[in-house]
Amino acid sequence: QPQLQESGPGLVKPSETLSLTCSVSGDSFNSFSYYWGWVRQPPGKGLEWIASIYYSGTTYYNPSLKSRVTMSMDTSKKEFSLKLSSVNAADTAVYYCVRGGSATELYAMDVWGQGTKVTVSS
Amino acid sequence: DIQMTQSPSSLSASVGDRVTITCQASQSISNYVAWLQQKPGKAPKLLIYGASTLQGGVPSRFSGSGSGTDFTLTISSLQPEDFATYYCQQSYTIPTFGQGTRLDIK
Repeated sequence: QPQLQESGPGLVKPSETLSLTCSVSGDSFNSFSYYWGWVRQPPGKGLEWIASIYYSGTTYYNPSLKSRVTMSMDTSKKEFSLKLSSVNAADTAVYYCVRGGSATELYAMDVWGQGTKVTVSS
Repeated sequence: DIQMTQSPSSLSASVGDRVTITCQASQSISNYVAWLQQKPGKAPKLLIYGASTLQGGVPSRFSGSGSGTDFTLTISSLQPEDFATYYCQQSYTIPTFGQGTRLDIK
């Protein structure tokens, strides 16, 4: 299984853009079978899916965040990225990058990064 | 969006107990349900996918069942390392999670 590692600033000012990158080591990044995504967890709360991207470049966004989210991937670097614009305190959370399984795994999120904590504050 | 309603929200149990957590989808999702375990300060871990298929390396005391709208995660005999928060998640459409069940020691 691959390993995923998130990176990015731990502190973002309100109204600015949060930018995170996930580096993928190991196999499967160049496979059309899997997808890659972001999930967040506000302090003391549950999990919220943010966005997903397939190797083809097709993206899917959470409707509640769609106007502020952009997800992209750099296949040469085996990385994918998240940008969330116009952040506010409600965007404070631990952000996880994930791999989504293939159709065989019914698209379950089978590999998770360790998570990176992002605080929105001036 | 498909809503996943998980119950109970919290549960106290003892080592050796049999525990059941349920999840109800707001519409039929076939068997596109996964169960995840999360321990404090750690990333979630996939336990079960396809409603009932155990992920590799997961102990056999974990089992899942259900199809359509009603799903169940069962732990047959609780071990100390099982005290954690559990989430259901549907992948039939854009992913959504249940609100979680915190399982702690009685």
